[in-house]
Amino acid sequence: EPEVTQTPSHQVTQMGQEVILRCVPISNHLYFYWYRQILGQKVEFLVSFYNNEISEKSEIFDDQFSVERPDGSNFTLKIRSTKLEDSAMYFCASQPRSSYNEQFFGPGTRLTVL
Amino acid sequence: AQSVTQPDIHITVSEGASLELRCNYSYGATPYLFWYVQSPGQGLQLLLKYFSGDTLVQGIKGFEAEFKRSQSSFNLRKPSVHWSDAAEYFCAVGGGYQKVTFGTGTKLQVIP
Repeated sequence: EPEVTQTPSHQVTQMGQEVILRCVPISNHLYFYWYRQILGQKVEFLVSFYNNEISEKSEIFDDQFSVERPDGSNFTLKIRSTKLEDSAMYFCASQPRSSYNEQFFGPGTRLTVL
Repeated sequence: AQSVTQPDIHITVSEGASLELRCNYSYGATPYLFWYVQSPGQGLQLLLKYFSGDTLVQGIKGFEAEFKRSQSSFNLRKPSVHWSDAAEYFCAVGGGYQKVTFGTGTKLQVIP
């Protein structure tokens, strides 16, 4: 069964460094999302992406964040200058065209900012 | 704005006992409702979903949930809990191609 994959599974970085989190959505899906979960808290929406454009973004998704679908298969989340509070589990999700389908979540990337 | 309330932060049940986890939602249109389970340090596994039709939905691992529009609720139930069900459970609401909004989760502890 097709799955959303994410790499790396765990990334450790220094404060102020740039990080890129990578996701490979399910191949025939058209809608893509990033969520994050700070340790011990609920999952929060960051951004949705369709047709090479951001459809919606939360107030968390400020100028330090960007998303890209560089090659038609990968979907990336970039954090330009990481802060301690960016430490979280980041989940990618994808969704097919039919609205009667849930978003399929990847296993997550745990980002630790030191 | 859409929102989800899970009033129970932590629940403890005995193995073999029945379980009900509460979820109330707020959504402007017909909601799509989900229950996810998450083990420590792991990803989100979809237990079940409601889009339309029969208001009692069956999921994996013997879980079921009932959509009650009049009460804006989507409670998760299981007749007999197993030790392996210990995890955190998240209720979520979304619609179409919009974001999914999660509740704060309920941690389930199962005692022998």
